Amino acid sequence: AQKVTQAQTEISVVEKEDVTLDCVYETRDTTYYLFWYKQPPSGELVFLIRRNSFDEQNEISGRYSWNFQKSTSSFNFTITASQVVDSAVYFCALDDYKLSFGAGTTVTVRA
Amino acid sequence: GAVVSQHPSWVICKSGTSVKIECRSLDFQATTMFWYRQFPKQSLMLMATSNEGSKATYEQGVEKDKFLINHASLTLSTLTVTSAHPEDSSFYICSARAGRSIYEQYFGPGTRLTVT
Repeated sequence: AQKVTQAQTEISVVEKEDVTLDCVYETRDTTYYLFWYKQPPSGELVFLIRRNSFDEQNEISGRYSWNFQKSTSSFNFTITASQVVDSAVYFCALDDYKLSFGAGTTVTVRA
Repeated sequence: GAVVSQHPSWVICKSGTSVKIECRSLDFQATTMFWYRQFPKQSLMLMATSNEGSKATYEQGVEKDKFLINHASLTLSTLTVTSAHPEDSSFYICSARAGRSIYEQYFGPGTRLTVT
């Protein structure tokens, strides 16, 4: 069974639009971590955020915000006022000791 | 801090030859290192987990005799692709976990392998 599901394969927006990436996870553990990573065309993974299972506070960092809802096992990511530099593949990941990645969502921001 | 390097960043080799990829933790000791493989337009798939001084644990479907992993020190793990074939062409990414926190994992920049 897939542990992390990113339902959106590709999202294309025009610059300045908001983008929300969905992530649903599955685990039986009570202690786990959730992550979002950005992978630009260069390939190197860029860490964006880590959230532990006991911290359901939403977080905002600049144009990025994350909504963690344990009740629905979701950890969604929103980019506000998107920019061309946001174009990349975004991965949601679950770490319940072993890191499992979602399939990724390719975001294309057009000027 | 927490920098992980990989060498080489890209490599082209001929079918049948072996290729070694190095993964180093530059400013911390990595008790555990992981190797991932990523095919084009796909997600990262864990290949194996290695703990310093012990044999690597391979994920189901990964041939241990083909992908040799050595974690000889707390700062170095190597992945050797033996008798490489074109289907082994992929992006290989390592990550390292520091002993102080089992949930902190730092990724290397990746190595792009092309087998001709």
